[in-house]
Amino acid sequence: NAGVTQTPKFQVLKTGQSMTLQCAQDMNHNSMYWYRQDPGMGLRLIYYSASEGTTDKGEVPNGYNVSRLNKREFSLRLESAAPSQTSVYFCASSELLTGLTLLSGANVLTFGAGSRLTVL
Amino acid sequence: GQQLNQSPQSMFIQEGEDVSMNCTSSSIFNTWLWYKQDPGEGPVLLIALYKAGELTSNGRLTAQFGITRKDSFLNISASIPSDVGIYFCAGQNRDDKIIFGKGTRLHILP
Repeated sequence: NAGVTQTPKFQVLKTGQSMTLQCAQDMNHNSMYWYRQDPGMGLRLIYYSASEGTTDKGEVPNGYNVSRLNKREFSLRLESAAPSQTSVYFCASSELLTGLTLLSGANVLTFGAGSRLTVL
Repeated sequence: GQQLNQSPQSMFIQEGEDVSMNCTSSSIFNTWLWYKQDPGEGPVLLIALYKAGELTSNGRLTAQFGITRKDSFLNISASIPSDVGIYFCAGQNRDDKIIFGKGTRLHILP
């Protein structure tokens, strides 16, 4: 089982360039997420998609856009990259988002292996 | 906003020692989760806790959901080299967002 697949694994950009991080999951999960991980900051939520056709801002959405292309795919776009966006990006998915699933484990996140982005 | 305070930030222990780390919050959570991240990988779920007071074990790992619903701890017994990594706690409420702690980095000395 592939689980959650992210591409690319590594990318170097110049300030002002644009790029899109791709994410796909094969678990038929409804909810998908993009996190960034920075030293000493833990995992911070950028955007999430509770279900196909919906997206919502997380904790640090500025400078990013997302597209839930279909149930499997959730992409993250940097329109004009800045050095502050140098980070490791993780895509994740879960069966359901709602708090009503608290006892079922359906809210548990499955993460991809990460994409390391450097903006010069 | 909601925050989780995870401690310690890092630990250096001898192989075979027991490990204890915890998370506290000023807010109540309905679910506590513990994830481990190996170097170069994404976090992987270790233990999920769904009820206040719940004590759950997974091999050498034991985690508890605090009775106040504002804290959780994770213990690892008889540490081994493959326990090295970053451990994250996470809490979730009915507003659906999962909040992560900043992580505890575990180092094991031979």
